Amino acid sequence: NAGVMQNPRHLVRRRGQEARLRCSPMKGHSHVYWYRQLPEEGLKFMVYLQKENIIDESGMPKERFSAEFPKEGPSILRIQQVVRGDSAAYFCASSGVAGGGSYEQYFGPGTRLTVT
Amino acid sequence: SQQGEEDPQALSIQEGENATMNCSYKTSINNLQWYRQNSGRGLVHLILIRSNEREKHSGRLRVTLDTSKKSSSLLITASRAADTASYFCATPRGAQKLVFGQGTRLTINP
Repeated sequence: NAGVMQNPRHLVRRRGQEARLRCSPMKGHSHVYWYRQLPEEGLKFMVYLQKENIIDESGMPKERFSAEFPKEGPSILRIQQVVRGDSAAYFCASSGVAGGGSYEQYFGPGTRLTVT
Repeated sequence: SQQGEEDPQALSIQEGENATMNCSYKTSINNLQWYRQNSGRGLVHLILIRSNEREKHSGRLRVTLDTSKKSSSLLITASRAADTASYFCATPRGAQKLVFGQGTRLTINP
């Protein structure tokens, strides 16, 4: 049973380019979360999605960032017109249960984005 | 101020010793979770303790939760070099998102 998969593992973009990060949740999981981790810091929540729905995007920057989780295929975190401050590790997590917060989130290995 | 603040920020001990890390939080919770992150890797879930539990064990890990003090501790007994990692506490908030602390960087010296 494969865990949460993320690709690419490393991504280098020049300022102004677009970055697309993909996340495939664990088999049977329909809840996906994206987190961002700056160097030497903890993870910061960005967005929580279920299939075809954004449930909570309170951690997403207002501009340039978007996320989707289509009916088929992986979840995508898209960053348009990247800037150096977007350089970070982006982690995806998934869970199979909704409600109450009494659940475990399974994390992927992360995508390390470097903006040059 | 940040939910889930760990202390110490960094801890270095000798192999075989016990390591204790603490976490404080500010809002009411229904559970608290501890995660480990090896350098440059993703997070691994270690243990979840519910608000009605005081203590929980898993192998060499012992977690306590004091809801009156809004604090939790993670104890790793008989530490090994492979325990070298960053350890984060996390609490769920809102629509199941997790709020993480800054983490404790643990180094086990051989």
